[in-house]
Amino acid sequence: DAKTTQPTSMDCAEGRAANLPCNHSTISGNEYVYWYRQIHSQGPQYIIHGLKNNETNEMASLIITEDRKSSTLILPHATLRDTAVYYCIVRVDNTDKLIFGTGTRLQVFP
Amino acid sequence: EADIYQTPRYLVIGTGKKITLECSQTMGHDKMYWYQQDPGMELHLIHYSYGVNSTEKGDLSSESTVSRIRTEHFPLTLESARPSHTSQYLCASSGLTALAGSPSYEQYFGPGTRLTVT
Repeated sequence: DAKTTQPTSMDCAEGRAANLPCNHSTISGNEYVYWYRQIHSQGPQYIIHGLKNNETNEMASLIITEDRKSSTLILPHATLRDTAVYYCIVRVDNTDKLIFGTGTRLQVFP
Repeated sequence: EADIYQTPRYLVIGTGKKITLECSQTMGHDKMYWYQQDPGMELHLIHYSYGVNSTEKGDLSSESTVSRIRTEHFPLTLESARPSHTSQYLCASSGLTALAGSPSYEQYFGPGTRLTVT
């Protein structure tokens, strides 16, 4: 699976959009981009995934560049409860093993 | 909301004791996983199973063992606990779903067991 690079930490004001970047320059054509988050050492929680197209669900939006070498997770209106470590993971779906990196620690402040 | 359970949530035990961490899921998922995570550190896969009677070691070497006799149950056992086993253990399961129009093996995680060996 391709390696991902994320900033170590980010801050965001409550109510503003949080944009979390991820680089995956070695991604292959059949590899998906997944995002999970982990709130205070609880079990990680699935957020969203995509292959080529931008995706949106009730939690977030995922923007994937045309060359697929990077992506951005967008939390449109961050709340204090969104404070967590966010993991960007690239994997070939039929292997379905997740390899977690260090992620981005997002701090949402009032 | 995922239906995956882990017990106990917290365990403090002395060196040399045998322990079993329980993990159960009610979603009928074939695939189940155990991860280990030290405080503030990355999650590492230590065991996984693709179905009944199937178990494999993960990317991080572990002295623990697992079994999969029933689809819904994936216990992890330490025959002789040591202080180096102190960590959080997270169980997960996955099954093929269709999310946003594309196939996905989204993993659902349990709340974890925080183990302390004294």
